[in-house]
Amino acid sequence: NAGVTQTPKFRILKIGQSMTLQCAQDMNHNYMYWYRQDPGMGLKLIYYSVGAGITDKGEVPNGYNVSRSTTEDFPLRLELAAPSQTSVYFCASSTLAHEQYFGPGTRLTVT
Amino acid sequence: AQSVTQLGSHVSVSEGALVLLRCNYSSSVPPYLFWYVQYPNQGLQLLLKYTTGATLVKGINGFEAEFKKSETSFHLTKPSAHMSDAAEYFCAVRRGTGNQFYFGTGTSLTVIP
Repeated sequence: NAGVTQTPKFRILKIGQSMTLQCAQDMNHNYMYWYRQDPGMGLKLIYYSVGAGITDKGEVPNGYNVSRSTTEDFPLRLELAAPSQTSVYFCASSTLAHEQYFGPGTRLTVT
Repeated sequence: AQSVTQLGSHVSVSEGALVLLRCNYSSSVPPYLFWYVQYPNQGLQLLLKYTTGATLVKGINGFEAEFKKSETSFHLTKPSAHMSDAAEYFCAVRRGTGNQFYFGTGTSLTVIP
C-alpha cells in the first residue's frame, strides 16, 4: 500500500493564481482531512470529509474549496492565491475513531 | 469544545536522560488521545494512542503516555533519550463521537550528545 500520497511536493504561485493540491489514499478510509501547518501554530484543519460526496468546513476554510467524488481522492482547491496561504499542507485519512495517516505534505509559497 | 495545550515549545535533554513532554486537553466528553512525531520535511506519524481501557499506553521507539482523567493530561515520556528522538512532537485529541482532531502547537525536542 502507498498509504496517503500528495502532489506536488513543492509549488510557487503568484498572487491571484489558482491551483489544486492532490491527495489520494489506498486504505479505503472513509475519513479524509486537509490541514495547514504554520511555524509555531501546529496543524489547523481546513476541510474534512466523512465519505464520498460529503465535506465539511474545519477551523480555517476561507480561500479554499474541496470535493470528494470518490473514496480515494480528496483534492484541495485554492482559487485566488494570497500570501497568507503560504504554508505546508498535509492531507490525512482515517477510519472511524482511530488514528490518522498523513501524507508527506505540499510546501506552497505564494509571492 | 476541544483544545490541546502543550507546555514548552522547545525541550532539550541530554542523551540518556528522561524525556517528558507535556500535554493537557479539554474535552466535554471522553476523548481519544494521540501523540504524533514529525521529522524534518516529513508528515506526521503516530507514536501512540489512547482510546479506551488501560490508561498507560506504550508506543513505538520506547515512548509511553498515561491518560490521567483527573488532571486532563496525557504526558509523553521515554526513560532514556536517543539522538534519533530529536523531532517535533504533537499531541492531538478527538472527541469519541466526533469527526475532527485537534492538535497542540507542538514541542520541538532537542537531544544533546
